[in-house]
Amino acid sequence: EVQLLESGGGLVQPGGSVRLSCAASGFTFSTYAMSWVRQAPGKGLEWVSGLGNSGDYAYYADSVKGRFTVSRDNSKNTLYLQMNSLRAEDTAVYYCAKYGGISVARTTNWFDSWGQGTLVTVSS
Amino acid sequence: QTVVTQEPSFSVSPGGTVTLTCGLSSGSVSTTDYPSWYQQTPGQAPRMLIYNTNSRSSGVPARFSGSIVGNKAALTITGAQADDESDYYCVLYMSGGISVFGGGTKLTVL
Repeated sequence: EVQLLESGGGLVQPGGSVRLSCAASGFTFSTYAMSWVRQAPGKGLEWVSGLGNSGDYAYYADSVKGRFTVSRDNSKNTLYLQMNSLRAEDTAVYYCAKYGGISVARTTNWFDSWGQGTLVTVSS
Repeated sequence: QTVVTQEPSFSVSPGGTVTLTCGLSSGSVSTTDYPSWYQQTPGQAPRMLIYNTNSRSSGVPARFSGSIVGNKAALTITGAQADDESDYYCVLYMSGGISVFGGGTKLTVL
């Protein structure tokens, strides 16, 4: 059974930084692209970032480009999201999700497994 | 910037059929956009229902189906049940590795 477990959320001051982790199990982590999707309180889902299986190709939503960095450690079956220069509008539950294939590509652009999410609150 | 559009809300009677749609603010949705659909109940993570336009995810009841209707992707629930009352989201692939979710449809079964 695929399991994705996010951690690292909490209260952060505006302008601060935090790193989220997503521990994966139940599948061959190194053969799938992974993503981060967030949901602000009472709002809809927003795709944040995608990363290919080897970690070489990363993609970002315009809203986070230049501030967030996605990475992975395939030896630890873990996905990361480094979030810098945080703003109030980054307050959300952050989910990691598994893509349908090895790369971030049109032909496998779906998210077939999701973690339970970790809440990041940006506030002074 | 392209926006993915969904009906904000919809209601269906128990046992009834409802079709939710997923469109683009400019242009048409086709199978080559590989639309997928997700169900989310309050406090829970999303769950994939449909991928690649019309492929049902493992364990998803047959009453959920996906298609292209006109210039939009569509999710049809045939024989709606009370526990289908949820938020439903579609997502489309844009160029350059970017995905965009629709704003979601809140489905009420009553």
